[in-house]
Amino acid sequence: QQQVKQSPQSLIVQKGGISIINCAYENTAFDYFPWYQQFPGKGPALLIAIRPDVSEKKEGRFTISFNKSAKQFSLHIMDSQPGDSATYFCAAQDSNYQLIWGAGTKLIIKP
Amino acid sequence: NAGVTQTPKFQVLKTGQSMTLQCAQDMNHNSMYWYRQDPGMGLRLIYYSASEGTTDKGEVPNGYNVSRLNKREFSLRLESAAPSQTSVYFCASSTKAHWDSRYSGNTIYFGEGSWLTVV
Repeated sequence: QQQVKQSPQSLIVQKGGISIINCAYENTAFDYFPWYQQFPGKGPALLIAIRPDVSEKKEGRFTISFNKSAKQFSLHIMDSQPGDSATYFCAAQDSNYQLIWGAGTKLIIKP
Repeated sequence: NAGVTQTPKFQVLKTGQSMTLQCAQDMNHNSMYWYRQDPGMGLRLIYYSASEGTTDKGEVPNGYNVSRLNKREFSLRLESAAPSQTSVYFCASSTKAHWDSRYSGNTIYFGEGSWLTVV
């Protein structure tokens, strides 16, 4: 009930392509869905987040698509660049404001 | 603007030794956390402190203790290190962003990590 399942575990995309990372959850009480980006040797940092009352949130090349009925949300990176190479974590917030984390996706953008 | 600072950055311990990871934040956040990150397992919460004077167990607390020394500082102690505790440890603090009466989001700020190897 408390899990957030993230896929794929790793992803290789050509420069200029679209990177897509998916997450699924079970607990309908989750009410906030952030994505964090982590570069090697650094801590994760908030990238973009969405509330469950909207279906899409876009910030520059990064878009979250949210499907409440399917209990799924995804991160799309348009025109992927080598500088986007990082590990991406999805998360979901429970009623105690605790974040439940996905396992992470290591994204490599090939030049 | 330092944010979340944790020390040491790297440490090698022998099995059975003890050590303390130090963490401090300068953002006046109430909540602080300790996570461990292992390949393929994401971020797992060890302990958290919702406010000064309170601490609670997370997903993987066994083998660890914490102290919320004051609002700024939150330390993690390994009393008798084991090879299974080889990991990258992240301290973090958080604040809430309020959009309206229905929704608020917990934004977590992480330190740069402490690489711990137990041999």
